[in-house]
Amino acid sequence: QSALTQPASVSGSPGQSITISCTGTSSDVGGCKFVSWYQQLPGKAPKVMIYEVSIRPSGISNRFSGSKSDNTASLTISGLQTEDEADYYCSSCTTTGTYVFGTGTKVIVL
Amino acid sequence: EVQVVESGGGLIQPGGSLRLSCVASGFTFSSHWMHWVRQAPGEGLVWVSRINSDGNYRTYADFVKGRFTISRDNAKNTLYLQLNSLSADDTAVYYCSRDFDSSNACWGQGTQVTVSS
Repeated sequence: QSALTQPASVSGSPGQSITISCTGTSSDVGGCKFVSWYQQLPGKAPKVMIYEVSIRPSGISNRFSGSKSDNTASLTISGLQTEDEADYYCSSCTTTGTYVFGTGTKVIVL
Repeated sequence: EVQVVESGGGLIQPGGSLRLSCVASGFTFSSHWMHWVRQAPGEGLVWVSRINSDGNYRTYADFVKGRFTISRDNAKNTLYLQLNSLSADDTAVYYCSRDFDSSNACWGQGTQVTVSS
C-alpha cells in the first residue's frame, strides 16, 4: 500500500489553469472508480472537491474538474484564485478493499 | 446538523494503548460506513481503517499490522479505534469520517495522539 504519487507543489498565477497528477497502479487508481480529491486548509479537516473521478459535490465551484487515464488521475483548477491556495490530496480505493491517499500537493498562487 | 466529534486522544508512552471515540449526530449512523484517517504533524493524510454499517466487515492499512482495532456501537452512535503497541510513528491527528470520499462526506476536527516518553 504505497502512497499515490503527487507533485510536491504546483504554482500558477491568478486566472491560469493548473493540473495536479496522482499516479498509482492498476491495483488502486487504475482498477477503482472511487478516486477522490480533497482540499485541506491549515489546521482544518479535508474537504471533498471531486469524487468518483470526476463528480463535483454540490457547492463546489465548476472551476474544479477531475479525470483519469489508466493509473493516473488528475485534478484541474481553472481560473486560479488566491483562495485556492491550499494542500490537495487524492485518494483511491484499492482492489483489496482498502484505501490509499496521495502524497499531497501544495498549490501556490503567485 | 450532521457532525462527528472525535475524542480520546492524548499523550501516551511508547508501547501504550489508547481508545479513540467518534460520536455521530444528525444522521442515521447505522446506515453508513465509517473510516479513520490520520495525519502526522506536517505530513499528509493516511487512511487507517474502515468498517461497514453493521460492523461485520473491517479493513486496515498494512502499517496497522494487527495493532489497531476498529469497532462501532450503533446503539450509541459511536465509532471506536483501539490503538495498541503505540510508537512515535503513530503520533498524529486522528480523524473520523463518514463516507470520506463521497458527496456525503463528513469529517470531524480530529483528536491528537502524541506518543512520547
